[in-house]
Amino acid sequence: GAGVSQSPRYKVTKRGQDVALRCDPISGHVSLYWYRQALGQGPEFLTYFNYEAQQDKSGLPNDRFSAERPEGSISTLTIQRTEQRDSAMYRCASSAQGMNTEAFFGQGTRLTVV
Amino acid sequence: GNSVTQMEGPVTLSEEAFLTINCTYTATGYPSLFWYVQYPGEGLQLLLKATKADDKGSNKGFEATYRKETTSFHLEKGSVQVSDSAVYFCALSDHTGNMLTFGGGTRLMVKP
Repeated sequence: GAGVSQSPRYKVTKRGQDVALRCDPISGHVSLYWYRQALGQGPEFLTYFNYEAQQDKSGLPNDRFSAERPEGSISTLTIQRTEQRDSAMYRCASSAQGMNTEAFFGQGTRLTVV
Repeated sequence: GNSVTQMEGPVTLSEEAFLTINCTYTATGYPSLFWYVQYPGEGLQLLLKATKADDKGSNKGFEATYRKETTSFHLEKGSVQVSDSAVYFCALSDHTGNMLTFGGGTRLMVKP
């Protein structure tokens, strides 16, 4: 595609529900990243993939968070049993390879847990 | 661990004023440094970068110089425009080049 596409743009969910956030990276990009951004703060790293392999998941806050990229393209970030503290903007980025090559960010998914 | 500290906003300037947004960092090894910009309603966009000490990144009239001795990467522009109003994020990548650490962001508002 022309850019990194994330869906949905906005998601409101009730506490305790599971949510799945989707990221469609730029075609051909090897690396895909997930970040979380609280209001008024900078993005914080969650996890990243090269192709379909999850290379680093050290930023995932707990085991309710998981991510996959089964075919090396589209990625899904899943949050199980959501809590109010999960409310944030979730940002996906992709790059040709590694963050030292230019990373392109999507518009993000604004998650609100009520 | 790595960290980035940038001046808090908002920064409010009149059109054609000089802009400086300070950024300092803490990192092991030799990180690459970046400035990203977020315009209202849009995703983060790379504005400029520098990959080694004394490099100067520049784009759209913005500049920043990688200063290893002061661990800084201050963003400057000689004459801001209303269209520069946005949130600016300083960031660094770790030695693997695979993860960005961001500062908290600085909101710039330029008035006509």
